[in-house]
Amino acid sequence: DAGITQSPRHKVTETGTPVTLRCHQTENHRYMYWYRQDPGHGLRLIHYSYGVKDTDKGEVSDGYSVSRSKTEDFLLTLESATSSQTSVYFCAISPDRGTKNIQYFGAGTRLSVL
Amino acid sequence: SQQGEEDPQALSIQEGENATMNCSYKTSINNLQWYRQNSGRGLVHLILIRSNEREKHSGRLRVTLDTSKKSSSLLITASRAADTASYFCACYGGGSEKLVFGKGMKLTVNP
Repeated sequence: DAGITQSPRHKVTETGTPVTLRCHQTENHRYMYWYRQDPGHGLRLIHYSYGVKDTDKGEVSDGYSVSRSKTEDFLLTLESATSSQTSVYFCAISPDRGTKNIQYFGAGTRLSVL
Repeated sequence: SQQGEEDPQALSIQEGENATMNCSYKTSINNLQWYRQNSGRGLVHLILIRSNEREKHSGRLRVTLDTSKKSSSLLITASRAADTASYFCACYGGGSEKLVFGKGMKLTVNP
């Protein structure tokens, strides 16, 4: 999976608890993305980063925050998890955001919020 | 907001047959990409076609782009059981600097 490690791979948590998912890359790519994948919705962008400490919102950012203090790490935090955030979360990286915006994906984190 | 939409949503064929998947999109694009996802795995980039290109090949893959119809097709020739996966088109451009994925379609290749 192109030098991308997502942790944990599986997590079960309770409603109202904070959850942090980690994406670690060894490719030194500038751009990093968090998506969620749900049946019937495909892949939707949550947040993305275009450099250390530079982040922006995606299509479904409510209830999520991100941080990027190092090039290689991009953290996704659910401040207070809800059942609607049960999903599979994917991290992706890209060296370029222009016309060569090919993204490389991690293996995913399956999150269940009970 | 969904940009690309794949059609059909599911396709089942026999090994050796060709598989054609279509993607329609709504606004102008800089490029269109196709990705594959095997069950339980992340997406893998297959091929990218730019807005000024009409056709592109990569191995058994052939992608076409018709910007006047805002549509693309992905052809997999001589399919194999290992091609069984979900396939996504993703559009870049049209005023958004983000890659927007379709909902995906499931291809099953029966041995």
